Order: sequence, then structure tokens, then C-alpha cells
Amino acid sequence: DAGVIQSPRHEVTEMGQEVTLRCKPISGHDYLFWYRQTMMRGLELLIYFNNNVPIDDSGMPEDRFSAKMPNASFSTLKIQPSEPRDSAVYFCASRQGGEQFFGPGTRLTVL
Amino acid sequence: GESVGLHLPTLSVQEGDNSIINCAYSNSASDYFIWYKQESGKGPQFIIDIRSNMDKRQGQRVTVLLNKTVKHLSLQIAATQPGDSAVYFCAEIRDDKIIFGKGTRLHILP
Repeated sequence: DAGVIQSPRHEVTEMGQEVTLRCKPISGHDYLFWYRQTMMRGLELLIYFNNNVPIDDSGMPEDRFSAKMPNASFSTLKIQPSEPRDSAVYFCASRQGGEQFFGPGTRLTVL
Repeated sequence: GESVGLHLPTLSVQEGDNSIINCAYSNSASDYFIWYKQESGKGPQFIIDIRSNMDKRQGQRVTVLLNKTVKHLSLQIAATQPGDSAVYFCAEIRDDKIIFGKGTRLHILP
């Protein structure tokens, strides 16, 4: 298995633009998590899904952030409009049972 | 508020020595803890876990100790190697979610 796949790996955009981050979980995993990592705030859980259904989105910072999981093999995290303070590394992770596996992350820079 | 936190942001250790990374937690109801390692440019990677009915668990070169009385968790790495350079996070499972601490950077001295 290739592990959790995220795309793009790097994204540079201008303030006000829409950003879409993509994640393909490990096949067979029924949980999917989106995290944001910054130096100041560390690793923050944004939202997680179980069997494609959003369970807890209390970590989503604002209405500008939205996440979807249309099927078991794909999820997106969208920021619209993006702001410079959204600059961070965004990780997707998936889990089946105990161990959670993280993707390589998407480094987002909003100018 | 309840949280998982780390005592030191940076730890420097001589190559070959043992490393000890500490973590304090405040939620006495927590019953499952995990240590993660994050190398530069990569996502966090599972190292070892421990449940609250245990006070010690050993893996390959790593040992996790849990002291529920003082709500303290530690990760011990034996014979530290250059490849151990990373940020280490303790985390707790709470309501099906993994809540991460801030992280400790382990720096290996030659």
C-alpha cells in the first residue's frame, strides 16, 4: 500500500483565492482526519470522518473552511477565501483500529 | 482546560546516550496514550502506545512509562542514534480523537 496520499505537496496562493487540498486514505480504513500544523499552535485536529460521515468538525476554524468525503477513497479540505494566517502544513490521516497513519502533508502558503 | 503538554521544547543528547522525553497530561480520565515521531518534511509516525492499565511498555529501543498518580508520561530511547533526530509528540485518545501535545525536538550531538 502506498500509504495516505495527499496532493498537492506544496501550494502557494494569493489571499482571497480558493484552495483545495486532497487526500486519499489507506484502503480499508474507516476513519479519516484532517489536521493543521503551525509552529505556534502545533498539531490541531480540524475535522474527522467515520465511514465517510463527518463526526466532529469543532476544530474547523471558520466558515471559510469546509471538508467533504464523497466516498471511502477520497476527501477534500477547501478554504475559500484563503487568508495569510491559513499558511500551515495540512495533514490527512486515516485509521482502522488503533494505529493512525499520516500522509506527507500539504504545505500551504497564502501570500 | 484539560490538555496534553510537554515539559521541554528542545532536548539535546549525545549520540549513544539514552534520551528521555517527558509529557504531562491533565485529563485523569484518559486511558490511552501514544508517542509519535515527526521527521522534517514528513507526517507524524506512530512509535509506541500504552493503556492506562499498564505502567510500562517496551518496544525496539523505546520504552514508555506511565505514572497515573502524577499524570506523567515519558518516552525513553536507548542508545540514541542520528536517525532519532525528530520532534516527538505525546498524544492521548479522547472521544475517538487523537489530541497532540506541542512536541519536543530531539537534537543529537555527535
